[in-house]
Amino acid sequence: QSVLTQPPSVSGAPGQSVTISCTGGSSNVGAGYDVHWYQQLPGSAPRLVIYGNINRPSGVPGRFSGSKSGTSASLAISGLQAEDEADYYCQSYDNRLGGSVFGGGTQLTVL
Amino acid sequence: EVQLVESGGGWVQPGGSLRLSCSASGFTFGDYAMHWVRQVPGKGLEWVSGINWESAGIRYADSVKGRFTISRDNAKNSLYLQMNSLRPEDTAFYYCTKDTRREADPYSFDLWGQGTLVTVSS
Repeated sequence: QSVLTQPPSVSGAPGQSVTISCTGGSSNVGAGYDVHWYQQLPGSAPRLVIYGNINRPSGVPGRFSGSKSGTSASLAISGLQAEDEADYYCQSYDNRLGGSVFGGGTQLTVL
Repeated sequence: EVQLVESGGGWVQPGGSLRLSCSASGFTFGDYAMHWVRQVPGKGLEWVSGINWESAGIRYADSVKGRFTISRDNAKNSLYLQMNSLRPEDTAFYYCTKDTRREADPYSFDLWGQGTLVTVSS
């Protein structure tokens, strides 16, 4: 049972948009801590795609965007491409646990 | 090239010990906090431990507290994880990660190694 809750899977056709949610609680996202998102392609290490709720590292396409409100955050991917098919994880800090927490991961399938 | 390379993984019996190493290159290692994150094959990510830029601040997940010790040598651009009293549930890929900040409280991880597999089994 992960501290941050994500849907197990989402899917969309090429060119469409999808949104992945991440729900936390009062000791992490709701306490004001930033949310970050990672993409993990099959057989690869995770890659940071959104940090500080809304910021994209250099090299990450503008099709990726993030948002946060209250105890939840979201990752949106527009103009889906086959190369976006991967697992996506949200991450934040938890002051009750005194460390970082991850969501359980969401598998994105591009139909 | 900016990269992190882990080593030291392998098979160990329950109760045994293992020391992981991570060699950094392509950035000023001593300017950033570093962390270990693990992943059971086919499962999700779990933050394990973090150390601030000057080794003055250290954090552990409850699941490894008292058994694992994180350390770094900025002169050698290296991060370490000493793992003692290993349990079958510690079996996972262990990733070395670079924080975007200096302090031990984890923020975001913008560079990851390829991971090293630790298998704890009799």
